[in-house]
Order: sequence, then structure tokens, then C-alpha cells
Amino acid sequence: TQLLEQSPQFLSIQEGENLTVYCNSSSVFSSLQWYRQEPGEGPVLLVTVVTGGEVKKLKRLTFQFGDARKDSSLHITAAQPGDTGLYLCAGGGGSGSSNTGKLIFGQGTTLQVKP
Amino acid sequence: KAGVTQTPRYLIKTRGQQVTLSCSPISGHRSVSWYQQTPGQGLQFLFEYFSETQRNKGNFPGRFSGRQFSNSRSEMNVSTLELGDSALYLCASSRSQNTEAFFGQGTRLTVV
Repeated sequence: TQLLEQSPQFLSIQEGENLTVYCNSSSVFSSLQWYRQEPGEGPVLLVTVVTGGEVKKLKRLTFQFGDARKDSSLHITAAQPGDTGLYLCAGGGGSGSSNTGKLIFGQGTTLQVKP
Repeated sequence: KAGVTQTPRYLIKTRGQQVTLSCSPISGHRSVSWYQQTPGQGLQFLFEYFSETQRNKGNFPGRFSGRQFSNSRSEMNVSTLELGDSALYLCASSRSQNTEAFFGQGTRLTVV
């Protein structure tokens, strides 16, 4: 069974602080997607990483895919209250399911940024 | 370009009833996947359709079913509803299999 372990589950920080969210698995994924979800809404895609070692930046957010394509991290610099939400990592094309749209989701990280 | 549209947004049903949820994918997208999201289990994969064929199915009972039409729109059906079926049901569309997935706003189903 493919699993994605996300940590930490909850994070409450002050505006201006930096943070990192981790997403780890024992399985190899062909791609890793990060989403942000607001209460009662659907997840919004932030980024997709597909190459081992790949680093992508989206303003203050930096995403990295592990060399072995089993893990990923999301780093936020100088967090703002608008960053508050549920952050989800999702692995696609895991072993045995390369030709499928099925995504395996981590449990999510609830981030609260206080002004 | 319109996003993924799910209807209805909210639904209240009684135990034992059945329900049908609808999803219209992004224009040009041929893959539609369904997920159930609950506080305790997170996002769990239900099934995926591509070109009107079910390509993958998650570990849910047979009460959960779906289909996809020739215009890529998809429906999922849950029969004999149980209290535990209360959840946010999310639909995601992709241009093809194993490409980026974009989610709708979800349908909040409450079973009483």
C-alpha cells in the first residue's frame, strides 16, 4: 500500500516566520503535486514536480522533489496570514499505477499564520 | 477558461436514500477522478474515468459507483446511504491520465 506521510500535521506561527512541510514515502512517484485548501473548498494546485532533485519557486514558496522521487518539501519564507490553510501533498503515478490519474494524498498540514 | 464544476454544492440526505453527484471537467480534459474527504481519513481515492471507461477504483464498497459520458462529464452515485458517508466529495479533472489534476469546489454531503 502506497502511503505519503506528511509532517507536521499542525503548525501555528507568527507572521514573518519561515516554515517547512515534509512529505515522505517509501514508494517512488512519477510526480508530486502540492495543493492548498481552504475550509469547505476544493484543493487548489500550487505546483507539480516531476524530476528527482527538482526545485520550483512560487513567490515565497519553494518546493523540492527528492532525488529518489520518494519525498518532497515545501518551504515558506516570511509567512503571511494569507498563507493560512491546509497544505496537501499528492503523489501520482506510483509503482504499479503509472498509467493512471489516481493520486495518493498525505494527511495534510494545517497552517495558521497569526498577524 | 471555466474550472471544474460540481453540483450540487450542498446536499442533505436520510440514511438509506441514494444520491447522485455531478462533475463537469475543464474543457478538453478527458480524465475525471473522484475523492472522498473526511476529517479522520483525509482525501481518499474513489475511482477514475478516462474516455468513458473506469480505469481505477479505490477501496470503497459497491454502493459507490460512477460513470462518465461522451462529453467527459461524470456522475457518481451512492446507494443505501450510511451516516459514515457524510463527507466532502471532490472531483478532479486532468487532460489525460497521469497529468496535473484540478479540483472542483466539492459537494458537501450530510447523511442524517
